Amino acid sequence: AQSVAQPEDQVNVAEGNPLTVKCTYSVSGNPYLFWYVQYPNRGLQFLLKYITGDNLVKGSYGFEAEFNKSQTSFHLKKPSALVSDSALYFCAVRDAGRSDYKLSFGAGTTVTVRA
Amino acid sequence: EAQVTQNPRYLITVTGKKLTVTCSQNMNHEYMSWYRQDPGLGLRQIYYSMNVEVTDKGDVPEGYKVSRKEKRNFPLILESPSPNQTSLYFCASSLRAPDTQYFGPGTRLTVL
Repeated sequence: AQSVAQPEDQVNVAEGNPLTVKCTYSVSGNPYLFWYVQYPNRGLQFLLKYITGDNLVKGSYGFEAEFNKSQTSFHLKKPSALVSDSALYFCAVRDAGRSDYKLSFGAGTTVTVRA
Repeated sequence: EAQVTQNPRYLITVTGKKLTVTCSQNMNHEYMSWYRQDPGLGLRQIYYSMNVEVTDKGDVPEGYKVSRKEKRNFPLILESPSPNQTSLYFCASSLRAPDTQYFGPGTRLTVL
C-alpha cells in the first residue's frame, strides 16, 4: 500500500531563515509526488510535483523540493522564509506501480514563520 | 475563471437525513476526487473518478456515494449521515489521473 509520512506536526522558523518541511513515502513502484499548501480558511493550492527527471524540483512562491529515491524522501525547502509562508503543508503520493489512481496525503505540517 | 466550485459551503444537518454536496469544474478535467480533512489525519480520499461513468473507491468510501454523469459534475452523496462524517470536505479536479489538482473552497459539514 502507498503511504506518506510527515514526521513533524509543526515547524517554527524565523523570517529570513531556511525552511524545511519533511516528507517520506512508501510505494511499490515509482512515485508521483506532490506538495500542496493550505492557507487559513482556504482550499489547497498546488506548490510543486515530481513525476520524473531532475531530482530537484522548483515550484511556486520560491519553494523547491528534492526527490531522494534511496531515502524515499521528498522534502520541501525554501532558502529564506517569509511570514506569509505560515500555513499548513501537505505532501501527497501516487504509486505509479498500482493499477488504481488513488492519491494519498500526509497528515500535514503546520509552518509558523515569526517576524 | 478556471475553478472548482462546491455547494453548500457550510451545512448543519441531523443524523440520517440524506444530503448531497455538489462539485463542478469548468476546466474540462477528466479526473475528479473527493477528500475529507480531519485534524491530525490530513486529507483522506473518499472517491475518485477517472472520467464520465468511471468511479472508484478511495481510502475511506464507507457511508458515501458518488456519481459522474457529466464530465463537469461530481456530487458527493451521504445517504444516511452520521456524526462521524462531520468533517471538512474538498472536491478537486485535474486534467488526468492524479496530476496537479485544483481544489474547491471546501464544505464544512456538521452532523448532529
